[in-house]
Amino acid sequence: GEDVEQSLFLSVREGDSSVINCTYTDSSSTYLYWYKQEPGAGLQLLTYIFSNMDMKQDQRLTVLLNKKDKHLSLRIADTQTGDSAIYFCAERGYSGGGADGLTFGKGTHLIIQP
Amino acid sequence: DAGVIQSPRHEVTEMGQEVTLRCKPISGHDYLFWYRQTMMRGLELLIYFNNNVPIDDSGMPEDRFSAKMPNASFSTLKIQPSEPRDSAVYFCASSPGPSGNQPQHFGDGTRLSIL
Repeated sequence: GEDVEQSLFLSVREGDSSVINCTYTDSSSTYLYWYKQEPGAGLQLLTYIFSNMDMKQDQRLTVLLNKKDKHLSLRIADTQTGDSAIYFCAERGYSGGGADGLTFGKGTHLIIQP
Repeated sequence: DAGVIQSPRHEVTEMGQEVTLRCKPISGHDYLFWYRQTMMRGLELLIYFNNNVPIDDSGMPEDRFSAKMPNASFSTLKIQPSEPRDSAVYFCASSPGPSGNQPQHFGDGTRLSIL
């Protein structure tokens, strides 16, 4: 079955870059997503990447995809205290031509040290 | 633009009671998803609808859970009777279409506590 794995915690100093990693198993995954969840809030879509791409940049965010190794990473440049949150990697598979729901990792808690 | 709206934000009730969670998707979004988030299992898809029709309910845990979408702007998730192990945060999400470049947008969730 589908599986998405992430480290549970990442601690970085303010101003440094954060790199959050994710691995997935579903080879049919065509789109991969990063969501951010702040305490008591819903999931905010940060960015997503199509599987025929290997990199996508959006301001401070850079997504790298290694499709061969089924490895996805999210780099946050110049990490700020407001980046403190849980970051979820998710994949969307397809079956029978229809859209499926997302399969999520357990989330990585990003902790910012002053 | 208004996002996905869920109500109530918090619900505390005693086991055995009926619980109804509500969701209003983003206008024009044809897909609606219900997810559950727990510490142990993370985020799990329960059911999703396309044009108000349930497409995949394989994630619904038991017959105690039911979901409906009577029209394009409203969906409910009902638990009857509720049990303490149903305590979780329930999220509703919607997307405009089935394509991966039409991502899902989430509501703020309903935090459910069953005593």
